[in-house]
Amino acid sequence: DQQVKQNSPSLSVQEGRISILNCDYTNSMFDYFLWYKKYPAEGPTFLISISSIKDKNEDGRFTVFLNKSAKHLSLHIVPSQPGDSAVYFCAAIAAGGTSYGKLTFGQGTILTVHP
Amino acid sequence: DSGVTQTPKHLITATGQRVTLRCSPRSGDLSVYWYQQSLDQGLQFLIQYYNGEERAKGNILERFSAQQFPDLHSELNLSSLELGDSALYFCASSGALGTGELFFGEGSRLTVL
Repeated sequence: DQQVKQNSPSLSVQEGRISILNCDYTNSMFDYFLWYKKYPAEGPTFLISISSIKDKNEDGRFTVFLNKSAKHLSLHIVPSQPGDSAVYFCAAIAAGGTSYGKLTFGQGTILTVHP
Repeated sequence: DSGVTQTPKHLITATGQRVTLRCSPRSGDLSVYWYQQSLDQGLQFLIQYYNGEERAKGNILERFSAQQFPDLHSELNLSSLELGDSALYFCASSGALGTGELFFGEGSRLTVL
């Protein structure tokens, strides 16, 4: 049972344009969401997060939007740069859980930004 | 560099064997987490230790066990290995308990033949 889904395995974008990565979840108990970025041969790196009490969080070129009613979140990267090419993982944490490190991850989306 | 060190980086072994993966967390981090990433899958949470004590458990197989030592390094033991255990095993650490921001190592790639 995939509680966090990233339905697009890959996304290709031109440099300077917007990249939009999507994520859907099914567990209503999730109340904190994160995006991680992963380069080949490296571990995932935290990118940005959002609490369920917000609908938007922005950090430089990265903005995460949360639509709780649709159980959907998205990561916007503007403008996209070739160095953003990586695998992006969406992750969620359940409210009342015993551990804030017990993340449920999506399968990942491979983003390729072309010069 | 996340500050989390995992060894070995690559490991090839046969079915039925036992292996130990090692993780040194970032300096000062008390929590260590183990995740498994199989082919085309997201990362699956296995287990967390906090300051030597088991804190949370995911879908970790009974053939797998972990521990965290007084110096805070952790080991993940995988026994009676099966072909399906082939995966990337990530260790992560964190200081604060409540943010979800984890610092991951580069992973240990296990191949079971």
